[in-house]
Order: sequence, then C-alpha cells, then structure tokens
Amino acid sequence: SQQGEEDPQALSIQEGENATMNCSYKTSINNLQWYRQNSGRGLVHLILIRSNEREKHSGRLRVTLDTSKKSSSLLITASRAADTASYFCAPHLPGGGNKLTFGTGTQLKVEL
Amino acid sequence: EAGVAQSPRYKIIEKRQSVAFWCNPISGHATLYWYQQILGQGPKLLIQFQNNGVVDDSQLPKDRFSAERLKGVDSTLKIQPAKLEDSAVYLCASSHLRDRPYEQYFGPGTRLTVT
Repeated sequence: SQQGEEDPQALSIQEGENATMNCSYKTSINNLQWYRQNSGRGLVHLILIRSNEREKHSGRLRVTLDTSKKSSSLLITASRAADTASYFCAPHLPGGGNKLTFGTGTQLKVEL
Repeated sequence: EAGVAQSPRYKIIEKRQSVAFWCNPISGHATLYWYQQILGQGPKLLIQFQNNGVVDDSQLPKDRFSAERLKGVDSTLKIQPAKLEDSAVYLCASSHLRDRPYEQYFGPGTRLTVT
C-alpha cells in the first residue's frame, strides 16, 4: 500500500532544540500531509504540501518535499514540551480520492 | 465550529459480543471516514462515505464489521462478533467536499478493549 514511512521511529530532544523527521514514499503523489497525534488533542492536520511545491511554512513548522527522491521532511523549530506527540505523514495518490494511508509515525519526545 | 463527535469514548466487551460506535461529523462535511488504530501503528482506513454512499470499503472486514450513514450525516460502525484483535482505537474523521477536501478532521476516538 502507498503509505509514508517515517524516520526515525522515535526522537528525543531538549526543549528549544529543533526536531526533524523524514518521510519516504514509493509512487507519484498529488500532495503530502503531516498530522500530529497526542493524548490531549487527538489526531490533527498540521500542513499540506502539493507536489509542485518544494517548501512550505506554518508557524514553527517547515515542510520540504523532494519529489525526485520521493521524500519529505518536517522541521519543528524551537520545540516545546507541548510538541511531544506522534507525527505521521500521509501521501495522497492521484486518483486515490481523499484516502489517506498512514505509516507508523515518528514519536517525538521534548524534554524540559 | 464544533468538532467531530464520537461516542462512547471507551468500551470494554468480551469476545464474540457485539459493539457499536457512533460518529457525528462537522456540520457541512459530506465525507466521513472510519479508521482503526492498533496500538503502536498509524490509523488504517476502514470505510469512507460521501454523503450516504460508500466510496471505499476495501479494508473493512465485512464478515464482522458493518457501517452505515443513512441520512448522510451521522454514522455508526458495528462489530459483530468481536475478536481479541479488534482491540484498538476507532477514529472517525470528516472532510468538506470542496473546501480543502484533503484535510481531514478527526474525532477523539473510541478505545475498544476486547477481553
């Protein structure tokens, strides 16, 4: 199935540091989304990057997309304890309707 | 704007029993999804509705799972009979048909434990 594979599986950093997580996928996409899941707010959409975009920003989030390498990265700058969560990428295929296929995610822990 | 509502939040049943989950999507969202998330994994799509029609149910175990969205608004997901491996969080999500259709809004989920 066309799911994104997140890397690393787990990441532990100190508050204030930057966190980078990566996503690889296998076939052409229309767009790619990143979602965050924590116990407080559940699963929440963070950002969508289209296949013709290379970089996108939203607050402290920066997403890049390299379609030639079939990969994306999510950078969280100046991390906070509240950023502790699992992060999932969800590639969206052409002709796939609105179907999202999630990988196992990157578990980020931000320590004080 | 009210979010996606789900009930119950938690359910414990014995294997071979039946269970039903309810979801009310965001008002105006024509598309509704049910996902199963097993501990340590990402959510897996079970079924997708557009209004009251099924768009994708390719990963729904139809011998024991059923879902309906009769009036194109709220939806129920049923498991009968439940197996131990059905222990998971069941997430409902919705999206607008035309305004950012790829962005899905998730409910808090129902945590099911089958003993």
